[in-house]
Amino acid sequence: AQSVAQPEDQVNVAEGNPLTVKCTYSVSGNPYLFWYVQYPNRGLQFLLKYITGDNLVKGSYGFEAEFNKSQTSFHLKKPSALVSDSALYFCAVREDQAGTALIFGKGTTLSVSS
Amino acid sequence: EAGVAQSPRYKIIEKRQSVAFWCNPISGHATLYWYQQILGQGPKLLIQFQNNGVVDDSQLPKDRFSAERLKGVDSTLKIQPAKLEDSAVYLCASSPLAGGYNEQFFGPGTRLTVL
Repeated sequence: AQSVAQPEDQVNVAEGNPLTVKCTYSVSGNPYLFWYVQYPNRGLQFLLKYITGDNLVKGSYGFEAEFNKSQTSFHLKKPSALVSDSALYFCAVREDQAGTALIFGKGTTLSVSS
Repeated sequence: EAGVAQSPRYKIIEKRQSVAFWCNPISGHATLYWYQQILGQGPKLLIQFQNNGVVDDSQLPKDRFSAERLKGVDSTLKIQPAKLEDSAVYLCASSPLAGGYNEQFFGPGTRLTVL
């Protein structure tokens, strides 16, 4: 069965510092991996995805994520955090097989202080 | 490009009452999803449509939940009768194709409170 773990409920970082939001996954086959962000009273917005190829994926708003197959991880990173990055971040995984659903982690709240 | 539209944004009902949510996906998107997001959890897929056909409804509580997408465009999700544990945000999403590698575009959600 597919599963996603986001081990941190909250990540706190000062503006200008690098940030990392962790995600590990479990699938039987090859994974499709996604990061979404949710701002208060708004729907989820797509940030980036890994399908195949280069392990380092670049996405919206300066975010990037590194796919690590041996560690089954897909951590979200940004070199320099902004206060406006404060939001709820979700990692999601789907197997590369027809009929499988997108499974979301429980989310990590990112708080960037000025 | 207009995004995914959902209505109402908020709904408060008593338990055992019925409620319906409406979703209009992005124009041209063939795939439509309904998710349930309980406070403190990630979204959980309830049902997936490809055009007007159901692809996956394995996690839909069919004794009380129903959904339809009659013309392959907009969709409604109904709960009858509602239970306290149905209190959640109901998210609608769409994507242009059914492939698992396609990102999904989410609406703002409907926050349901069951008293």
